[in-house]
Amino acid sequence: DAKTTQPNSMESNEEEPVHLPCNHSTISGTDYIHWYRQLPSQGPEYVIHGLTSNVNNRMASLAIAEDRKSSTLILHRATLRDAAVYYCILRDTGNQFYFGTGTSLTVIP
Amino acid sequence: DTGVSQDPRHKITKRGQNVTFRCDPISEHNRLYWYRQTLGQGPEFLTYFQNEAQLEKSRLLSDRFSAERPKGSFSTLEIQRTEQGDSAMYLCASSSQAPGANVLTFGAGSRLTVL
Repeated sequence: DAKTTQPNSMESNEEEPVHLPCNHSTISGTDYIHWYRQLPSQGPEYVIHGLTSNVNNRMASLAIAEDRKSSTLILHRATLRDAAVYYCILRDTGNQFYFGTGTSLTVIP
Repeated sequence: DTGVSQDPRHKITKRGQNVTFRCDPISEHNRLYWYRQTLGQGPEFLTYFQNEAQLEKSRLLSDRFSAERPKGSFSTLEIQRTEQGDSAMYLCASSSQAPGANVLTFGAGSRLTVL
């Protein structure tokens, strides 16, 4: 199973950018990098994914290192509703998604 | 389409009883996943279907657990002879096989409490 490493927790002030790091040193060339987040008492929610190039969508941006061994999820302007557990996941060619323990993000008003 | 539906949302049972959970995926999604999540942990993969075929099952999954997806639409997850350690949130997710669209959409989960 592909492995990712994330900090257990992070804090951010409201309306400031947040950079959530993820290490995936054992990534293979065909693994996609996915990010999901889980709000309290809800199922996980898709945020963004990419393979090699940086990606942007309405929720966030994904910056992927050139060697693909790490990536960073960027929330451009944190709001209180962004407080959640953020999971960085590698999707392999078998279409499996293996979750770690994620990063718990606290947004301070 | 209202997304992925799971039923029941909550189930309390006594040890030794059987329980069954149902998942209705997004209608055009042909892939369906089951996960289990305990407090403070990330979702743990249980099993995965493509259409009606069960393509992978976690090595950690006890023989008391069985999942079906008989017509490639809804799926059921049954736990026989429940144990207290089975208490968890059971999450279902579905995805499309279309290129670029292989992302998971989760349901709200079914919370199981075994007394």
